[in-house]
Amino acid sequence: QSALTQPPSASGSPGQSVTISCTGTSSDVGLYNYVSWYQHHPGTAPKLIIYEVSERPSGVPDRFSGSKSANTASLTVSGLQPEDEADYYCSSYAGSNNYVFGTGTKVTVL
Amino acid sequence: QVQLVQSGPEVKKPGSSVKVSCKASGGTLGNNAINWVRQAPGQGLQWMGRITPISGTLTYELKLQGKVTITADESTATIYMELNSLNFHDTAVYFCAREERVHLEQWGQGSLVTVSS
Repeated sequence: QSALTQPPSASGSPGQSVTISCTGTSSDVGLYNYVSWYQHHPGTAPKLIIYEVSERPSGVPDRFSGSKSANTASLTVSGLQPEDEADYYCSSYAGSNNYVFGTGTKVTVL
Repeated sequence: QVQLVQSGPEVKKPGSSVKVSCKASGGTLGNNAINWVRQAPGQGLQWMGRITPISGTLTYELKLQGKVTITADESTATIYMELNSLNFHDTAVYFCAREERVHLEQWGQGSLVTVSS
């Protein structure tokens, strides 16, 4: 199973929006509506911020939103805040109880 | 609220094995699968495998089959991940995570394993 492809970095000024793509294949992202996104501040545990493509867990601000088209999922962070600076990883179910993560995107708040 | 509490840091020699634990503190493992994910220095997250304790169903990432073994002890609500034939590329932080539906809802704090001669 190959890692999903994400851009290595993305940036924006406070208040701006940033969108991160996550490209897989017709065997994972394209086949299942089970894409999730995790926010990871180094040295801490990753935190779930989006599941099932566009659902937000309780407590996650609505500045975070997710979508999917064909084999590519996207995470948008609107109204960037300093605390949003982190690494972001997508993940997709890949069938037969397998998962695959994306390569990760470092978001910088300028 | 059940928390996942992992074992402490380990330093191991190349060729040896390591066993990392993940305890559901304050409760039971329940019906949820527990997954293992690792992050090598400067690298991204890598899914390693999962176990559903109640059924014993196991799945390993294809490239790690034969290298990783995941087990569960329901009596102590603890999941174990054992990695054998360690090499320098196995130096990483290892996370356990509780699966809810088809996502990783809750994560342990991580366990650093360093492989060094």
